[in-house]
Amino acid sequence: AQSVAQPEDQVNVAEGNPLTVKCTYSVSGNPYLFWYVQYPNRGLQFLLKYITGDNLVKGSYGFEAEFNKSQTSFHLKKPSALVSDSALYFCAVRRGDSSYKLIFGSGTRLLVRP
Amino acid sequence: SQTIHQWPATLVQPVGSPLSLECTVEGTSNPNLYWYRQAAGRGLQLLFYSVGIGQISSEVPQNLSASRPQDRQFILSSKKLLLSDSGFYLCAWSSGRSYYEQYFGPGTRLTVT
Repeated sequence: AQSVAQPEDQVNVAEGNPLTVKCTYSVSGNPYLFWYVQYPNRGLQFLLKYITGDNLVKGSYGFEAEFNKSQTSFHLKKPSALVSDSALYFCAVRRGDSSYKLIFGSGTRLLVRP
Repeated sequence: SQTIHQWPATLVQPVGSPLSLECTVEGTSNPNLYWYRQAAGRGLQLLFYSVGIGQISSEVPQNLSASRPQDRQFILSSKKLLLSDSGFYLCAWSSGRSYYEQYFGPGTRLTVT
């Protein structure tokens, strides 16, 4: 069965430090992977996706994600965190080779302290 | 460019009252459309999706229903709201030509009292 896990409910990091938000997945076939960010009382915003090609994917607002096939992971990273990055982050995987539905992780709250 | 609208932004309704939430997409044709509910600011639950006019698939049995009367319009309805229907309702769209990422609307906060 397809699934995606975000093992950390919350990640705390100081402003200026690098951040990592973890995501692991389980899918049949080739994985299509996505990261979204949600600010309070707002819809989800698309950050980046991995479809094929380079394992390091760059997205919006300076975020990037590294696809690791052997570890079935797709961790979100940023070299230098900002207080404004504080939000809820969701990892998602496309559900199967022929589906247009996404499976979302439970979300990780990122708190960047000044 | 494509945009997605949802209204109302907030709604307070008594138990047993009807519900109608609307979602419209601009700037694209024949989108896939989705309704999600988010409870307690966390996980997303897919409620309905639609691949075309009049084509609705339900993911979770409940007292909600969805309709797609036009290509870019998606409506979420209920005849009688329950307390458990409270939550943040999100509409999203995707295109088959963009590797299936979904783009979300601003959401509707529903409180059933």
